[in-house]
Amino acid sequence: SAVISQKPSRDICQRGTSLTIQCQVDSQVTMMFWYRQQPGQSLTLIATANQGSEATYESGFVIDKFPISRPNLTFSTLTVSNMSPEDSSIYLCSVEGTGPTEQYFGPGTRLTVT
Amino acid sequence: AQKITQTQPGMFVQEKEAVTLDCTYDTSDPSYGLFWYKQPSSGEMIFLIYQGSYDQQNATEGRYSLNFQKARKSANLVISASQLGDSAMYFCAMSSNFGNEKLTFGTGTRLTIIP
Repeated sequence: SAVISQKPSRDICQRGTSLTIQCQVDSQVTMMFWYRQQPGQSLTLIATANQGSEATYESGFVIDKFPISRPNLTFSTLTVSNMSPEDSSIYLCSVEGTGPTEQYFGPGTRLTVT
Repeated sequence: AQKITQTQPGMFVQEKEAVTLDCTYDTSDPSYGLFWYKQPSSGEMIFLIYQGSYDQQNATEGRYSLNFQKARKSANLVISASQLGDSAMYFCAMSSNFGNEKLTFGTGTRLTIIP
C-alpha cells in the first residue's frame, strides 16, 4: 500500500488569506486526487492532478480558488485561496494503489477559517 | 453520471454481532469498481474492500465481505463479529473503469458498536 503524508495536519486561518497543503507519496503514482470533506458531509472531488499536465477540476471548483501543482510523480500541492469560513473542511489527497483495485488517502488536513 | 446511495445514516449494533451496511449505486458505465472506506473520528480514510463489476465472486478481506448483487445494483458491506473498534463512519464509493479513476462517494453510515 502507498504511504501518504500531508502537511499541515491542521491549521486555523483568517479569512482572505491562502493556505497551501502538501501531499507526499512514498512511491511514484500517475494520478493524484484532491477531495474536500465539509463538516458532517461526504467527500467531494475537487480535482485530478496528473504529472506534467494541468489539473482537471470538477464542476463547482475553479483553478483561481484551488490552484494545484504536480511537479513530479510523488508530490502535489493544493492551495485554498482567499479563504472564507465556508472553506472550513478536511482536505484529503488520494492516490492509486499498486493495482487498479486500490485507492489510498492521506491523513487529511483540517482547515478552520475564522 | 454515477450515484451512490447509502440509506442508513446511523446504526447501533451489539458487540460480536454481524452488521450489514447498505449501498446501492447507479451508473451507465459497463466497467466500474466499488469501494468501502472506514473513517474513524481521527478523520483518516481507511480502505477496506474492493469489488470489480466483472468479478464473479464476492470480495472478502478478513472480517469484511462485500455482498455484490449486480442486477440489483447493490454492494453491501458485511462486518462479521463486530468489535468496539469498528465504531466509525463508513463510506461506499465507486469509480469507472474498475479503478484508478476518481471516486464518487455516498453520504456515509455512522456505525456505533455497543458493548
